[in-house]
Amino acid sequence: GQQLNQSPQSMFIQEGEDVSMNCTSSSIFNTWLWYKQDPGEGPVLLIALYKAGELTSNGRLTAQFGITRKDSFLNISASIPSDVGIYFCAGPQGGSEKLVFGKGTKLTVNP
Amino acid sequence: GAVVSQHPSWVICKSGTSVKIECRSLDFQATTMFWYRQFPKQSLMLMATSNEGSKATYEQGVEKDKFLINHASLTLSTLTVTSAHPEDSSFYICSAEGDSYEQYFGPGTRLTVT
Repeated sequence: GQQLNQSPQSMFIQEGEDVSMNCTSSSIFNTWLWYKQDPGEGPVLLIALYKAGELTSNGRLTAQFGITRKDSFLNISASIPSDVGIYFCAGPQGGSEKLVFGKGTKLTVNP
Repeated sequence: GAVVSQHPSWVICKSGTSVKIECRSLDFQATTMFWYRQFPKQSLMLMATSNEGSKATYEQGVEKDKFLINHASLTLSTLTVTSAHPEDSSFYICSAEGDSYEQYFGPGTRLTVT
C-alpha cells in the first residue's frame, strides 16, 4: 500500500529557531494533512492542503503541497516550548477516505 | 468547530471483562468515524471504519468479534472491547470525518487491562 516517509524522525532545537520537516511518498496524493499530537492526547489538525503547489499558513506554521504531489513540508517559525510534540503528515490512500500516516517527527524545544 | 470527544479518557478493567468507549462529534455530523489504536512511540494504526447505520469495515488482522463497533447516529460511535486481555491494553483514538478527507480526532482513551 501507499506509505509516507517522514523526516527527520526527531529534532532538538533551541527556542526561537525555525524548524522544517517533510513528508515524501512514491505515490501521488491529492490531499496532504499535517497533525500535531501532544503526549496522551489525540492528534490535532494543523493544516490541510488540497492543490499541488499550494502554500498555506496557520500562525507560525506554513505547509506546502509539492508540485509533484509526492511530497509536502511543514515549517515552524520562531519555535516556542509549546511546539513540543509529534508532528504527523497524512493523506487519503488510493482515493479512499482512509488516511495513511507517516511515522511522525518528534520535536523537542529547549527553552 | 470540529470538536470530537471520547469517554472515558482512561479505564482500568480486569481480564475477561468488556469495556465500551464512546466517540462523539460535538458540533458537526459525521457519517463516517474511524477507530485507531496507538502503541507507545508509534504512529496510529487504523482498526476499523464506522459508517452510520451500517456495519463497520475492519482492517486486516482486527477481530470484529472482539472489537465491536456501533455507529447508531451521526454524532456517536462506540467501540466495545469484549473479553479484554492484557494485550488489549493500548491507547484507542477515534476520529470523525469532516470535509475533503479531513479527520478530527478525539482526545483518546487509555485502556489498561489487569
